Amino acid sequence: AQSVTQLGSHVSVSEGALVLLRCNYSSSVPPYLFWYVQYPNQGLQLLLKYTSAATLVKGINGFEAEFKKSETSFHLTKPSAHMSDAAEYFCAVSDTGRRALTFGSGTRLQVQP
Amino acid sequence: EAQVTQNPRYLITVTGKKLTVTCSQNMNHEYMSWYRQDPGLGLRQIYYSMNVEVTDKGDVPEGYKVSRKEKRNFPLILESPSPNQTSLYFCASRGPGTSTGELFFGEGSRLTVL
Repeated sequence: AQSVTQLGSHVSVSEGALVLLRCNYSSSVPPYLFWYVQYPNQGLQLLLKYTSAATLVKGINGFEAEFKKSETSFHLTKPSAHMSDAAEYFCAVSDTGRRALTFGSGTRLQVQP
Repeated sequence: EAQVTQNPRYLITVTGKKLTVTCSQNMNHEYMSWYRQDPGLGLRQIYYSMNVEVTDKGDVPEGYKVSRKEKRNFPLILESPSPNQTSLYFCASRGPGTSTGELFFGEGSRLTVL
């Protein structure tokens, strides 16, 4: 069974600082990996996805993530945080039959002025 | 506008009173799914449907029913709600061209069972 672990349920950064949200996965086969963002009172929006085409994936709003097979990681980064980045972020992996996405427990990002 | 629409967005009910949360998508997607979101647990799949008249259990199906009589609609039915079903529910869909599995989500339905 696939699983996703997000380290840190809450992360707080200053505006302009580097954002790093951690995600580790377990999968018996090469996975499809995703980062979603959830703004207050809204649904989940796809930030970016890894589909084996390139290990460094660029997404919307200046976010990117790097797939590292040796570390089974897919950490999300942004060089400079903005107040509007405050939200909850979820890492997810797709199962081989594409029947479901398995989500991590989420990381709430706070951006301090 | 392409969207997944859920209703109601907010609902407070009492134990045992049957309720239905509707989900409709206007993108002609074959795949639809229901998730529940609970603090510290992320999203967990309740049921999914690969196509019309084809449904299957996800990870947490107990206490829920679904039906898929037409492609656009995928209602979630709670026959006898209990307080442990208090949660935030999301409906999601995926088109046939999405080979990697990412989902398109509705805005969520917050359910409180007293």
